[in-house]
Amino acid sequence: GAVVSQHPSWVICKSGTSVKIECRSLDFQATTMFWYRQFPKQSLMLMATSNEGSKATYEQGVEKDKFLINHASLTLSTLTVTSAHPEDSSFYICSATRVVGLEAFFGPGTRLTVL
Amino acid sequence: AQRVTQPEKLLSVFKGAPVELKCNYSYSGSPELFWYVQYSRQRLQLLLRHISRESIKGFTADLNKGETSFHLKKPFAQEEDSAMYYCALQASGTYKYIFGTGTRLKVLA
Repeated sequence: GAVVSQHPSWVICKSGTSVKIECRSLDFQATTMFWYRQFPKQSLMLMATSNEGSKATYEQGVEKDKFLINHASLTLSTLTVTSAHPEDSSFYICSATRVVGLEAFFGPGTRLTVL
Repeated sequence: AQRVTQPEKLLSVFKGAPVELKCNYSYSGSPELFWYVQYSRQRLQLLLRHISRESIKGFTADLNKGETSFHLKKPFAQEEDSAMYYCALQASGTYKYIFGTGTRLKVLA
């Protein structure tokens, strides 16, 4: 099956620093990748949609200058949380799809803790 | 507005009892609907999708356009079914998924 990986699986950083999270589709080319945020015991909130070679589309209320997304290739998307603050602490999950109408494959998630 | 509603945060049933996890959606067109499951300490994975009309692990879900529902059912719950279940909508012609708030299913011995 299709596998999506994320790196790192967890990260702790100081307030004010930037953190980069990678999302890779290991055995398929992902036309589109998505970034979600999940708070404890809550659902996934879509943050942005990332298409290879073009600018990401952000959901309402998500600061694009705060959460920088780069989709450099068909197998890699990165999310950079800039000038992180404690309220950015969360579980960040990416997913990737190949074709519209078919399933999304999810990464294992990255837990970010900002001190 | 596009929305997926799962009214139950927690559903507890005894082993062998029937299960129904409710999902209602709001969408003006023809969406694709999915059920995803997240077992403890594992990533989210697809359980089933309405277009394939399949039964996975004994679960089925029927799309009812009149009631805008896509409830997940299983006639006899097993302990290993305990997990978090998310109903998701994909707007037709797009890759974008909208997830419900999830229902935690606990199957008691």
